[in-house]
Order: sequence, then structure tokens, then C-alpha cells
Amino acid sequence: ETGVTQSPTHLIKTRGQQVTLRCSSQSGHNTVSWYQQALGQGPQFIFQYYREEENGRGNFPPRFSGLQFPNYSSELNVNALELDDSALYLCASSLVQGPRYGYTFGSGTRLTVV
Amino acid sequence: DQQVKQNSPSLSVQEGRISILNCDYTNSMFDYFLWYKKYPAEGPTFLISISSIKDKNEDGRFTVFLNKSAKHLSLHIVPSQPGDSAVYFCAASPNNAGNMLTFGGGTRLMVKP
Repeated sequence: ETGVTQSPTHLIKTRGQQVTLRCSSQSGHNTVSWYQQALGQGPQFIFQYYREEENGRGNFPPRFSGLQFPNYSSELNVNALELDDSALYLCASSLVQGPRYGYTFGSGTRLTVV
Repeated sequence: DQQVKQNSPSLSVQEGRISILNCDYTNSMFDYFLWYKKYPAEGPTFLISISSIKDKNEDGRFTVFLNKSAKHLSLHIVPSQPGDSAVYFCAASPNNAGNMLTFGGGTRLMVKP
């Protein structure tokens, strides 16, 4: 199994709602991280999971939460959606922790909050 | 507070010539630097990385140079090809920080045939 798969590809939600985005990592990749990319900007780190435990978090409020499962899949949950949450959400996985070998990114989920 | 900056939002180069993409950073704790390429509707693709203990790393047509004293890195593509047209992001990570990458805002490269 190669590549990182994200679903859905596009999503429209109403302000105040909750959303769950999904990511299926490459087999054996026990580290997954999530990024938010606003229009015209670079991706911003949300958090990282290693062996199903969160072990790093960027400057995002607690309403952004996640889960990692033993089958190399993961979820990003966002509660109480705000208009500024509209962005491309990227999942990245790697076999080992650390940046040396680069990370494999999925194509992202485009979330629009109206 | 942008810790990684790419000051040129776009760059246009003729096919066969050299493309030079620049990146500046402010955080002295950054230990690894990476370049990613992104096509529309796709995720970023890892290109090349460099550790802070080196000043140059080469992989085929791609070379990354690191000037630690100036907190500056650059990506050279020689020769440039039309298929290189994409948005290029530089990213940086502190040592032992797992997957936490701090990205620049990106530079759109257009290689004209």
C-alpha cells in the first residue's frame, strides 16, 4: 500500500458545526501529522501523532483534536467551526520521526465553512 | 511572526536556464531544512533536504545551499524544465521535533518553453 489518502476531497460546513476529516497513511508509517493551509499561504502545523499518542502540537485551539488508529489511519476533528477554519487540510505520514527523510503528504481536504 | 519567509511570490524562468528560489529564516533552533514542490490539487512532494551541519546538498538537477550565518537557504534547479512549474515551499524543523515543519509562504515557479 503506497501513498497517503485523504477523504473527503471537498467539504462544505456551516459555522458552529463539527467536522471529521480522515487520512489513511502508508502502511508501516507510525507517525502522522496534520497541517492547515490557508489560501495563498504555506501549511501550518496542527499536531502530530506517534503510535496513537499526540506528541506535538502547533498553535491551534483545543477544538482541533485528533486520533490515530493501529491500522495507520487517523482523524482530524474540528468542533464549533469558524469561518477562518476554511482551508486545505493536509495529512502527512512518515516511517520514522524527524525531518531527515521528508514526509509523504496526501492531496488534502478542502474545507469551506459558510 | 513568520519564522520562515519566501520573499518572492513568483519566479519566471526560460526552459534550460537556472531557477533559484530563496528562503530566509529567523529561528536559530532550526536544524533541518526541506524543499517541497506542490502541483494544483495535489499534496506537497518532498524534493530535497539539508542538515545544518552541511552547506550544500545535491540530488540530480536540484541543489540546496545553506548559509547559516545569514540564515538563508536557496534551491537551484539546473536545467529548468516546463514540468518544474509548480509552487515551491521551503520548510524548517528544530532537531528532535518530530514532524513539526514550519513552512514559508511558497514561490510559484513558471518555466517557459
